[in-house]
Amino acid sequence: ETGVTQTPRHLVMGMTNKKSLKCEQHLGHNAMYWYKQSAKKPLELMFVYSLEERVENNSVPSRFSPECPNSSHLFLHLHTLQPEDSALYLCASSPEGQGFYEQYFGPGTRLTVT
Amino acid sequence: AQTVTQSQPEMSVQEAETVTLSCTYDTSENNYYLFWYKQPPSRQMILVIRQEAYKQQNATENRFSVNFQKAAKSFSLKISDSQLGDTAMYFCALGSWGKLQFGAGTQVVVTP
Repeated sequence: ETGVTQTPRHLVMGMTNKKSLKCEQHLGHNAMYWYKQSAKKPLELMFVYSLEERVENNSVPSRFSPECPNSSHLFLHLHTLQPEDSALYLCASSPEGQGFYEQYFGPGTRLTVT
Repeated sequence: AQTVTQSQPEMSVQEAETVTLSCTYDTSENNYYLFWYKQPPSRQMILVIRQEAYKQQNATENRFSVNFQKAAKSFSLKISDSQLGDTAMYFCALGSWGKLQFGAGTQVVVTP
């Protein structure tokens, strides 16, 4: 238990569906992250939020839309996804978004796009 | 740009033996941290050990220790007295200014 929770743990959606992934951290951290983990590839950083402001968007397609309403919650809204978007989506948090700290990860959401 | 390279896709070790995982990196930053994370079959990413680049002393955490060679930009992980629960994917990561760059990972399999 790292203090970072993600829901749902598994999600199957069609290409025309709209769904959201949720992440919550109970560590009092100020920075939150979304990563994509595909088979045979390194973790890919998608978005970084620091003090609820987006500070990084790594050329992620617009069909992925992040939202950070407060420093404890992070969402990833999904719409019109493609089969190649099937992956494990990991959320992480750290004390600050600009410092030198380790990140604490949630258990991930396994997404399958059919 | 920062890069992290793990050249061993998979390693097998017997219980109670020692295994060493290699990691090399490249960065133009003077301040950075290095980490090893473990991802068991549950997929939960767990921090194993961290090393501040400005510290010469190698970090140790119970059975896990690192060999940090800053000039060579090398950061290897040694797992001593391997246990079945150490079976996992191990990722080397370079951290700087709030971001982590991960290597491709090394799958460690501990056999009885």
